[in-house]
Amino acid sequence: EAQVTQNPRYLITVTGKKLTVTCSQNMNHEYMSWYRQDPGLGLRQIYYSMNVEVTDKGDVPEGYKVSRKEKRNFPLILESPSPNQTSLYFCASSPRTGTSYEQYFGPGTRLTVT
Amino acid sequence: AQTVTQSQPEMSVQEAETVTLSCTYDTSESDYYLFWYKQPPSRQMILVIRQEAYKQQNATENRFSVNFQKAAKSFSLKISDSQLGDAAMYFCAYRSPYTGANSKLTFGKGITLSVRP
Repeated sequence: EAQVTQNPRYLITVTGKKLTVTCSQNMNHEYMSWYRQDPGLGLRQIYYSMNVEVTDKGDVPEGYKVSRKEKRNFPLILESPSPNQTSLYFCASSPRTGTSYEQYFGPGTRLTVT
Repeated sequence: AQTVTQSQPEMSVQEAETVTLSCTYDTSESDYYLFWYKQPPSRQMILVIRQEAYKQQNATENRFSVNFQKAAKSFSLKISDSQLGDAAMYFCAYRSPYTGANSKLTFGKGITLSVRP
């Protein structure tokens, strides 16, 4: 089954404790992206990747890191989480840029930073 | 930069009736893609319908259709014969057409649709 998986689905952590949210897709997609969803703000892009070893900042990259060592995986790293990073996070992938192909979304990760 | 505006935070519809969700956007690009996504309580993002700006014909998917007005930069979603399962948050989104560029989706703030039995 074609899908995007994220782990963990729920995470409660404390300020400053490094964490990684994993994202994996099995569709051989080139393009992958991370979004955060906050009430009243919709979804905003954090980072994106055009292909292996090619990543760049989105609209709200502060406090986050990413890597793309393999085509299928695109982890999101919070090296020193803060309460303002409490949010719902989505990973998404699509075949390539510049097309109407839909972006496939993972199930979301609910992160709470206390 | 492109922006997407959904000015109605909430709407309600009677089961079996028709409802229209509004969306406007701002862009300087002449070609682009527009999408409506549904987010039920499970939080999964589900594509409802897409529209290519170069197509004059409005997209339709079963009970879902759009009214795409390019000159007015308007992209509304019509849900016919509303069902209880349509209750969800709906997001309008914009995507640039350029190959090799960031293919991000720019989302509106969303609208919460409730369906009355």
